[in-house]
Amino acid sequence: AQSVTQLGSHVSVSEGALVLLRCNYSSSVPPYLFWYVQYPNQGLQLLLKYTSAATLVKGINGFEAEFKKSETSFHLTKPSAHMSDAAEYFCAVSLYNFNKFYFGSGTKLNVKP
Amino acid sequence: EAGVAQSPRYKIIEKRQSVAFWCNPISGHATLYWYQQILGQGPKLLIQFQNNGVVDDSQLPKDRFSAERLKGVDSTLKIQPAKLEDSAVYLCASSLSSPYNEQFFGPGTRLTVL
Repeated sequence: AQSVTQLGSHVSVSEGALVLLRCNYSSSVPPYLFWYVQYPNQGLQLLLKYTSAATLVKGINGFEAEFKKSETSFHLTKPSAHMSDAAEYFCAVSLYNFNKFYFGSGTKLNVKP
Repeated sequence: EAGVAQSPRYKIIEKRQSVAFWCNPISGHATLYWYQQILGQGPKLLIQFQNNGVVDDSQLPKDRFSAERLKGVDSTLKIQPAKLEDSAVYLCASSLSSPYNEQFFGPGTRLTVL
């Protein structure tokens, strides 16, 4: 069975501080991994994706994530938080052999001034 | 490039009523998905179409939910009759036919069942 676990349903950081959102997956086959962001009353928007090329993936708005097979993790980071980063973030896994996504339960990021 | 379109954006109905949602995917995207997102949870896949055929509907409550994708383009999702627990945001997404292609999401329809 495939699943995605996001540790921490709410994360609060100060503006300018490091953002770290955690994602662990379980999969019996090599997965593709994605991070999406959802702003209030909007649909999900892709931040970045891992598709078995470079393990360190850079996305939009200064976010990046590193695929660590040994830890089955794909944590999302940003060196310096901005107020506009306040949103909900979802990690998702897709199996290489068919188009099915499994989403984590999401992490709400709050950025304090 | 136009994104995924959904309508209506908001819908309020009473329990036992019927409701339908419409989705128009990005042109050329063969795969279309309907998700249910309950407040505080991640999106849950209800049904996945490849062109106009169903690939996965294992989590669709078939006694009350139905979906179709005529001509492999637009899709409608229907709930009949609605229950209180159906209150959620219904998201439509589309993608090219490959597991490493990201899904593009519409803005969603927020359904409130009273």
